Amino acid sequence: DQQVKQNSPSLSVQEGRISILNCDYTNSMFDYFLWYKKYPAEGPTFLISISSIKDKNEDGRFTVFLNKSAKHLSLHIVPSQPGDSAVYFCAASAANNNNDMRFGAGTRLTVKP
Amino acid sequence: DTGVSQNPRHKITKRGQNVTFRCDPISEHNRLYWYRQTLGQGPEFLTYFQNEAQLEKSRLLSDRFSAERPKGSFSTLEIQRTEQGDSAMYLCASSSAGGSYEQYFGPGTRLTVT
Repeated sequence: DQQVKQNSPSLSVQEGRISILNCDYTNSMFDYFLWYKKYPAEGPTFLISISSIKDKNEDGRFTVFLNKSAKHLSLHIVPSQPGDSAVYFCAASAANNNNDMRFGAGTRLTVKP
Repeated sequence: DTGVSQNPRHKITKRGQNVTFRCDPISEHNRLYWYRQTLGQGPEFLTYFQNEAQLEKSRLLSDRFSAERPKGSFSTLEIQRTEQGDSAMYLCASSSAGGSYEQYFGPGTRLTVT
């Protein structure tokens, strides 16, 4: 069962513009959400997270927005840089079982110079 | 660098053979996780250790799979009688206790079963 969905397998953006990556989830028990970035031949790297008590978390060029009613979150990268080109995974977990983290299938972001 | 390390990075084996992978977590982390990732998918949870105790297993972890974490340090994942469907990237991650949700991943071991 795909409890975390990333419906866009790929996204291409021009350098300097905004990248918006989307993620939807179905399990209302999820209360903590994370974004990971993955380069080829490397494991996923933690990027940014958000708790369900917030609707926004910002870290430099990266901002995550959470819409609990829609069960939707998004990652905004602005301005986008060529080094941001990677696969981005959305992940979610629940406080009562925070060891079972569910991942989306990933979105491949390409930032063109 | 004291990140999560995994060995080997690549393993090619013939169907029916046994394979073992090793994961060395970040030294101060007491939680360790194994995931499997196939092409075009995100990581799928396999099992989880807190210190040396294996506390959770996914239904994905068939009887041919076994994981250990002796002394609560490094961990091994063994697959017996490998099948072609076992071909995947096997990822290890670690985290600290105290409510931290962030898991830190190793580079993975890519298994190819021919």
